[in-house]
Amino acid sequence: EIVLTQSPATLSLSPGERATLSCRASQSVSSYLAWFQQKPGQAPRLLIYDASNRATGIPARFSGSGSGTDFTLTISSLEPEDFAVYYCQNRSNWPWTFGQGTKVEIK
Amino acid sequence: EVQLVESGGGLVQPGGSLRLSCAASGFTFSNYPMHWVRQPPGRGLESVSVISGNGGSTYYGNSVKGRFTISRDNPKNTLYLQMGSLRPEDMAVYYCVREGLRTTDGHNYLDYWGQGTLVTVSS
Repeated sequence: EIVLTQSPATLSLSPGERATLSCRASQSVSSYLAWFQQKPGQAPRLLIYDASNRATGIPARFSGSGSGTDFTLTISSLEPEDFAVYYCQNRSNWPWTFGQGTKVEIK
Repeated sequence: EVQLVESGGGLVQPGGSLRLSCAASGFTFSNYPMHWVRQPPGRGLESVSVISGNGGSTYYGNSVKGRFTISRDNPKNTLYLQMGSLRPEDMAVYYCVREGLRTTDGHNYLDYWGQGTLVTVSS
């Protein structure tokens, strides 16, 4: 089973700042990685797939990069609605594992 | 509009059983693999199980293998999760999720999620 480790656990930033979230896999997942956003009381929402492709309707301020074992989600300028928990997910093979999440909170 | 509506959650004693259902609408249900993903209160996400569009292939997470069974009724547009030998650590919100975002190389991703149903395992 591939383990995904996200860092940091919590990111405290102000609106307008840049957020950089990391996800490291215990073995290569090629580019088969997704990022999800989850707000309190809501289901997760797909942001990024294949490590760097934005899903339909996702604003351009969200971008993903990386391949193999190291991945990054960048939010170029935080909007108030971006404060949430973000999860990376491996879909290279079953089980499709998730990272433990990074909480982006208002500073 | 794609909709996934889970039901069947509730309070069950350790060792008990429960069946979750997910009613799907707004898309051709039989064309898509479907997943159950769970989230314990205040914690992260865990893949529970997946079933192919025709129901012929199923996979399970290590923590539920041998205790849970995923199935689907395509004419009824419904996904199921039969849970048995429930443990306190199975307590979670269970989400029904469509594997619907299709890429050119055939590696698909989870796109639509239901709102979840809470399973509480306690005596």
